[in-house]
Amino acid sequence: GENVEQHPSTLSVQEGDSAVIKCTYSDSASNYFPWYKQELGKGPQLIIDIRSNVGEKKDQRIAVTLNKTAKHFSLHITETQPEDSAVYFCAASKQNQGGKLIFGQGTELSVKP
Amino acid sequence: DGGITQSPKYLFRKEGQNVTLSCEQNLNHDAMYWYRQDPGQGLRLIYYSQIVNDFQKGDIAEGYSVSREKKESFPLTVTSAQKNPTAFYLCASSGVSGNEQFFGPGTRLTVL
Repeated sequence: GENVEQHPSTLSVQEGDSAVIKCTYSDSASNYFPWYKQELGKGPQLIIDIRSNVGEKKDQRIAVTLNKTAKHFSLHITETQPEDSAVYFCAASKQNQGGKLIFGQGTELSVKP
Repeated sequence: DGGITQSPKYLFRKEGQNVTLSCEQNLNHDAMYWYRQDPGQGLRLIYYSQIVNDFQKGDIAEGYSVSREKKESFPLTVTSAQKNPTAFYLCASSGVSGNEQFFGPGTRLTVL
C-alpha cells in the first residue's frame, strides 16, 4: 500500500528564516497532496494542498512543490514567525480511494524569536 | 458557525469498559473519518464512511466500531477488545470529492 515518509522530524529556525519540509510517497497513482498544521492539543488544520496536475502552488508565505517523477513534494515557509511553530503533516491520496489520506510522521517546527 | 465538533475533550476509562466518542458536523459533508494519533506519530485511519448507513474499515479497525445513521453524526466506540486505547482521537469530514478533509478538535482518551 501507499507509504509516506516525512523529513526532518524536528526543525529549528530563527525568526525570519525559511523552513523546508520534505515528503516522499510510494504509490505513483497518488494525485492529491495536502499539508496540515497542528498546534498542541488541537486538531490538524489544512494550510495548503496540491494536485498532481500542477508543479507548484503558493499562498502568501507558504508554498508547496511537487515532483511527480521523483515522487516527492515539499512545503516551503518563508519569513517564518513564532506563530508558525507547530507540527506539520504531509499526506497523500488517490482519487479512487474514497478520500483515504496516508499521513507522514510529522515535523515539529520551532521558530525562535 | 459551521464546523466539526467532538465531545468530550478529555475522557477517562477503566480497563474493560466500552466508551463512545462523539463527532458531529454541520458542513453538509458526505464523508466522515476517524483517526488515531499517538505521540510523535502521524495519523492512522480507523474507520471511514462515504455515505449514510455505510462505512469501511481503515488500517487499524480492530477493537473499534462505528455507526452512520445520520449524515451529521459518526460516533466511534472504543471497545474492551482494543488492547492499547490510550490516544488522541480525531474526527474529520469531507465533501463528495473526498480529498479536502477538515478536522475536529479531538478527544484525548486515557485508560486508567
